[in-house]
This record gives sequence, C-alpha cells and structure tokens, in this order.
Amino acid sequence: AQSVTQLDSQVPVFEEAPVELRCNYSSSVSVYLFWYVQYPNQGLQLLLKYLSGSTLVKGINGFEAEFNKSQTSFHLRKPSVHISDTAEYFCAIVSGTYKYIFGTGTRLKVLA
Amino acid sequence: ETGVTQSPTHLIKTRGQQVTLRCSSQSGHNTVSWYQQALGQGPQFIFQYYREEENGRGNFPPRFSGLQFPNYSSELNVNALELDDSALYLCASSLYGSTNSPLHFGNGTRLTVT
Repeated sequence: AQSVTQLDSQVPVFEEAPVELRCNYSSSVSVYLFWYVQYPNQGLQLLLKYLSGSTLVKGINGFEAEFNKSQTSFHLRKPSVHISDTAEYFCAIVSGTYKYIFGTGTRLKVLA
Repeated sequence: ETGVTQSPTHLIKTRGQQVTLRCSSQSGHNTVSWYQQALGQGPQFIFQYYREEENGRGNFPPRFSGLQFPNYSSELNVNALELDDSALYLCASSLYGSTNSPLHFGNGTRLTVT
C-alpha cells in the first residue's frame, strides 16, 4: 500500500524566516510527487512537481523541494516566507494515471 | 483558459437524503476526478471518469456514484447521506495519460449533513 506522511501538522514561523515542511512517502513502485497549497475556502493549487530528472525542483511563489529517493522524502522549502504564505500545504504522490494519495497536510502560520 | 468550476459552493442536507454536485472541467482536459476532504484531513480519492466511464475508484461505497458528460463535465451523486459524508468535495480535471498534466482543482462544494 502507498502512503504519504507529513510529519508536522502545524508550523509557525516568523515573516522573512526560512521554512521547511516535511514529507515522507511509502511506495513499492515509482511515483511522481507533488506539493499543493490550499488557501482558506479554496481548492488546491499546484506548487511544484517532481516527475524525473534533477532532484531539486523549483515551483511558484519561491518554493522549492528536493526529492531524496533513499530517504523517500520530498521536503518543501522556502528561504524567506511572507504573511501571504499562510495556508495549508499538502504533499501527494501518484503512480499510474489516476489515484493521487495526499498527506494530512501541514498548516503554515506566518507570524508578523 | 477556463478553470475548474464547481456548484453549488455550499449545501446543507439531512441524513438519508440524496445530493448531486456538479463540476465543469478546465478547457483542454478530458478527465475528471473527485475527492472528499474531511475537516483537518487531506483529500481522499473517490473516483475518476474518462471517456464517460469510471476509470478508477477509491474506498467509497456504491452510494457514491458519478457521471461524465460528452463535454467532460461531471456530476457526483451521493445517496442515503450519512453524517460522516459532511466534507469538502473537490473536483479536479486533467489530461488523461499525460504526466505533465497534474490535477487542477476547483474550489469545492462544502456539504453539511445534519
């Protein structure tokens, strides 16, 4: 069975500080990996994706993530956060063509 | 480019009733997936439709059913509503078989069952 674990349910961080949101996954087959962001009362918006190639992936809004196959991790980072980054962040994997598996989410709270 | 739109945005139903949620896919996409997001949880895969047929299903009972229409729009139907069906229902569209076409989500329908 496949699974995604987001180790932190909430992460408070001060504005302009760096942040890392952790994601680990389990799968017996190769997967593609994604990070989505969800703002209040909205759907999910794609931040970035890893399909193949370079393990460091850059996304929108200054976010990046690094795929580590040996540690089955795909942690999300941003060197300097803004108040507007306050949202829920979801890590997801997919193999095949349809069934995305999401983690339970990490609530990022940026403090002034 | 038209994004994914869902209707209604909010809905309140009584236990035992039936509900239909609607979704228009993003232009150029031919596949629609439905997800249930309970409060404080990540989205859970319900099913996917491609070429007007169910293409895959998650761990949801048969009272969750769907349709896809020739214009790629879709409906999610839930019969015999239970209190645990209260959740945000998300529709997502994509291009079938394309790894460069990740899911594009609508803003969801918030269903409350009382």
